[in-house]
Amino acid sequence: GENVEQHPSTLSVQEGDSAVIKCTYSDSASNYFPWYKQELGKRPQLIIDIRSNVGEKKDQRIAVTLNKTAKHFSLHITETQPEDSAVYFCAASYNNNDMRFGAGTRLTVKP
Amino acid sequence: DAGITQSPRHKVTETGTPVTLRCHQTENHRYMYWYRQDPGHGLRLIHYSYGVKDTDKGEVSDGYSVSRSKTEDFLLTLESATSSQTSVYFCAISESQRGHEQYFGPGTRLTVT
Repeated sequence: GENVEQHPSTLSVQEGDSAVIKCTYSDSASNYFPWYKQELGKRPQLIIDIRSNVGEKKDQRIAVTLNKTAKHFSLHITETQPEDSAVYFCAASYNNNDMRFGAGTRLTVKP
Repeated sequence: DAGITQSPRHKVTETGTPVTLRCHQTENHRYMYWYRQDPGHGLRLIHYSYGVKDTDKGEVSDGYSVSRSKTEDFLLTLESATSSQTSVYFCAISESQRGHEQYFGPGTRLTVT
């Protein structure tokens, strides 16, 4: 089955700096790659996703890039703010079946 | 948040007792999922359903069973709870299989003593 690895496990940045979280996946058939943000004690919430026919997607300060050949994808957050502090999860699946998640990255944005 | 509720939100039970968690949706979505979340493991799929009475196993299905008799309800049962099943359980729903986003419920914190 699919295996997703996520790095780093913790990330600390100064407010206004950029943050990058990277994930690799093992199954070349995977075609859907969402990113979730989870605040302490809350449910995971989808912040952006990308499908395998697209190399990059942006939504305001958030962008995701996908390299199918290398089987890795990354989350980029620019101009970070304290409210960006949370745990971020990447995931990969083939048509939303049996979605596999990374172990998570705890992002801390210091004011 | 999408119309998803989970009950109970917190439960403490003893080893060997049966436990049933309920997920209820008001979105009429076809797909429903049960995940468990443990430190260092992210979210792991237990079972999912692709329609009434249609279910399949996920990555960590041993020790769990599910049932879906109505579109809006998806039940997760631990037949005989063990301490290794102490976790936070999340239900999720999705409109379709083809890469549509999954929306998560608020979670149930289960402690097995």
